[in-house]
Amino acid sequence: NAGVTQTPKFQVLKTGQSMTLQCAQDMNHNSMYWYRQDPGMGLRLIYYSASEGTTDKGEVPNGYNVSRLNKREFSLRLESAAPSQTSVYFCASSATGLGETQYFGPGTRLLVL
Amino acid sequence: GENVEQHPSTLSVQEGDSAVIKCTYSDSASNYFPWYKQELGKRPQLIIDIRSNVGEKKDQRIAVTLNKTAKHFSLHITETQPEDSAVYFCAAGPNDYKLSFGAGTTVTVRA
Repeated sequence: NAGVTQTPKFQVLKTGQSMTLQCAQDMNHNSMYWYRQDPGMGLRLIYYSASEGTTDKGEVPNGYNVSRLNKREFSLRLESAAPSQTSVYFCASSATGLGETQYFGPGTRLLVL
Repeated sequence: GENVEQHPSTLSVQEGDSAVIKCTYSDSASNYFPWYKQELGKRPQLIIDIRSNVGEKKDQRIAVTLNKTAKHFSLHITETQPEDSAVYFCAAGPNDYKLSFGAGTTVTVRA
């Protein structure tokens, strides 16, 4: 099992460009999450999907959209990138949303110039 | 929403000594409290978690305590080793969907 995978590993964008971060899990988990990690601020939830077909906003959703493509895949889209979105993005999944362990992907480092 | 504060932000300990990290939370509805370890350049990984119906949990050299009345919980690492050097994050939430994380503690174990 690969666990949680993310692509790309690193990306540089210019302000205003768009891109989609991809995430997939092979653990048959129902719930998936997108976080951003900034220095000194821990992990902040952007969006989550409790189960296939549902998505909800987290703590910092502005500037992002998500798609739960199927049970395995959960993508994060930046429609018009801004320098404030420079961060490390982590995808995670858990079996259910009820106090289960979240397993994280390796992260995507995004630099917006 | 939930607000989690974590202290200290950095912690340096001699190998073999103990390390203690403390977190407070604001939402009395929170009932799930995991701790994650993140090595440099790596992904966060769960090391231990506790639920509100339990006051203490141990796993080898790691233990977590929870005081729901005071809304705080702590991570204790005994007999620290160089491989314990990492950033540790606490988190709290009413369920797993909306975990709120602390800002992290950078632990350095001196040989």
